[in-house]
Amino acid sequence: AQTVTQSQPEMSVQEAETVTLSCTYDTSESDYYLFWYKQPPSRQMILVIRQEAYKQQNATENRFSVNFQKAAKSFSLKISDSQLGDAAMYFCAYRGMEYGNKLVFGAGTILRVKS
Amino acid sequence: DAMVIQNPRYQVTQFGKPVTLSCSQTLNHNVMYWYQQKSSQAPKLLFHYYDKDFNNEADTPDNFQSRRPNTSFCFLDIRSPGLGDAAMYLCATSGTRGYGYTFGSGTRLTVV
Repeated sequence: AQTVTQSQPEMSVQEAETVTLSCTYDTSESDYYLFWYKQPPSRQMILVIRQEAYKQQNATENRFSVNFQKAAKSFSLKISDSQLGDAAMYFCAYRGMEYGNKLVFGAGTILRVKS
Repeated sequence: DAMVIQNPRYQVTQFGKPVTLSCSQTLNHNVMYWYQQKSSQAPKLLFHYYDKDFNNEADTPDNFQSRRPNTSFCFLDIRSPGLGDAAMYLCATSGTRGYGYTFGSGTRLTVV
């Protein structure tokens, strides 16, 4: 079974600075997808960024980028120029290619942004 | 805009009184999921529908059931809510493989 590990329960960053959230995963599949979701307090979970395992190029979405290391099974999220609105719980998630291909979530990292 | 809508946003129910949460989608996705999320924890999958094919997670209590009368709607029924069932319940949908899920805003259930 696939597992996703987020080893940082909480992180803090100063406004306008850069922060990196860590994620590792375990799988025996060669094709899969990885995601970062953001969940602000009492608000909807939204997709931040998505990475296909067969692509070597790291995904980027504006201030959000990932460092995908397939051999190391590592998938970190970098947030540049942090803003107060980035404060949220961030979940790393894995989705494989098996039937049902359910999302497997990590435990989450609470990101606090200080002004 | 295509979306996933959950009603109500907040639900208060009495201990042991059946309650139903609803989810609708305009995305025409064939898979719908129900998650339970407790404070500061990852969502826990309860069950999902692949079209009309119902899939229950092994550790989902019998107290939780679901119905999907058509592609657009899915319901979560809690037959006899206990205090431990107080949580946020998230509905999500999924279409083509490889894409993430689209989540609704959730229903926060309080049991009194």
